[in-house]
Amino acid sequence: AQSVTQLDSHVSVSEGTPVLLRCNYSSSYSPSLFWYVQHPNKGLQLLLKYTSAATLVKGINGFEAEFKKSETSFHLTKPSAHMSDAAEYFCVRMDSSYKLIFGSGTRLLVRP
Amino acid sequence: SQTIHQWPATLVQPVGSPLSLECTVEGTSNPNLYWYRQAAGRGLQLLFYSVGIGQISSEVPQNLSASRPQDRQFILSSKKLLLSDSGFYLCAWTRNTDTQYFGPGTRLTVL
Repeated sequence: AQSVTQLDSHVSVSEGTPVLLRCNYSSSYSPSLFWYVQHPNKGLQLLLKYTSAATLVKGINGFEAEFKKSETSFHLTKPSAHMSDAAEYFCVRMDSSYKLIFGSGTRLLVRP
Repeated sequence: SQTIHQWPATLVQPVGSPLSLECTVEGTSNPNLYWYRQAAGRGLQLLFYSVGIGQISSEVPQNLSASRPQDRQFILSSKKLLLSDSGFYLCAWTRNTDTQYFGPGTRLTVL
């Protein structure tokens, strides 16, 4: 079955240090992949998406993600965390019926 | 530009009462529309989606129903709420089959 696995339920970093949120997918083909961010009691905001045009995808707010087919991974990174980055992040893939399959989410904590 | 609205933002309802949540999209036509529920500490679950007026597909059998009376309006309803209906309800739209854009959500608490 097609799935998305976010390897960490919580990640804690200090402000100004790099962020790495890990995501693996299962698929027999190169899927469309997305990262969304959700701040408390807010809707989901699209950070970036991969649709096979380029393996390194740049998103908003300094985030980027690299699609690695050999590792079936789509990890989200940011060189320097900001306090405002504290939120929950969802790795999402689109299935063959154009429906979204969500990972379980990673809560990012940023320490001052 | 396109915007998506949901109301109300928060709602507290007693068990057994009816429910109506509304979602509207501006700035586009004939969008695909989606209702998701996010229970506390859990991921998002697709409840319903619609590819056109009057066309509703249900993903999960439950106490809820959806309707699309107008092109850019999507309504989530229940005749009698259950405690388990509590959660954060999100509406989303897409103009094609690519990126989905989410509304601000409705926090529903059933007591």
